[in-house]
Amino acid sequence: IAGITQAPTSQILAAGRRMTLRCTQDMRHNAMYWYRQDLGLGLRLIHYSNTAGTTGKGEVPDGYSVSRANTDDFPLTLASAVPSQTSVYFCASSEVAGAYNEQFFGPGTRLTVL
Amino acid sequence: DQQVKQNSPSLSVQEGRISILNCDYTNSMFDYFLWYKKYPAEGPTFLISISSIKDKNEDGRFTVFLNKSAKHLSLHIVPSQPGDSAVYFCAASRGGGGADGLTFGKGTHLIIQP
Repeated sequence: IAGITQAPTSQILAAGRRMTLRCTQDMRHNAMYWYRQDLGLGLRLIHYSNTAGTTGKGEVPDGYSVSRANTDDFPLTLASAVPSQTSVYFCASSEVAGAYNEQFFGPGTRLTVL
Repeated sequence: DQQVKQNSPSLSVQEGRISILNCDYTNSMFDYFLWYKKYPAEGPTFLISISSIKDKNEDGRFTVFLNKSAKHLSLHIVPSQPGDSAVYFCAASRGGGGADGLTFGKGTHLIIQP
């Protein structure tokens, strides 16, 4: 593993189902993030975590939950998927929390909710 | 209300010429700005950044200019090469130490023509 990995690469999901998107980083970064990218809207922050054991809400948190049990993993859960959650989801990390650190992105998960 | 704006959805430039991508922001609390490059089916990759205490940062063919009074930044690529064809996202963050993620623009699709 090098950098950030996300799984699955893509998924088609029936509305109402529960889904967890996985994200793992091997850079020992303290901060991690989840974004969604929608056509014409750029990337929007869903949730973030400054360090293991802490999480925070981003711009579009409704319908999503996260946990940060350890430094490396930051799963994103959709408790009951809806079609508006169809999007490409990117996980990212940065060495430390704070404004002056670049974020490194994973390859993304393309999710379709029918 | 979009806090980071990229008003040109696409830009076409001839190979060897200069590419200029523009970005405007409205939140005066932003003090760190980044440009990301994104190829299809991949995550964004960091390109270059600038803090608000500077007005220019250069890295090889890439230069970012910041005009704080106008709340405007631009990315210059010279000379443009075919591999530069991608979507470019402008992003901004606030100081203060907390990791609340980046605020992205909608992106500009740069097309380098041979």
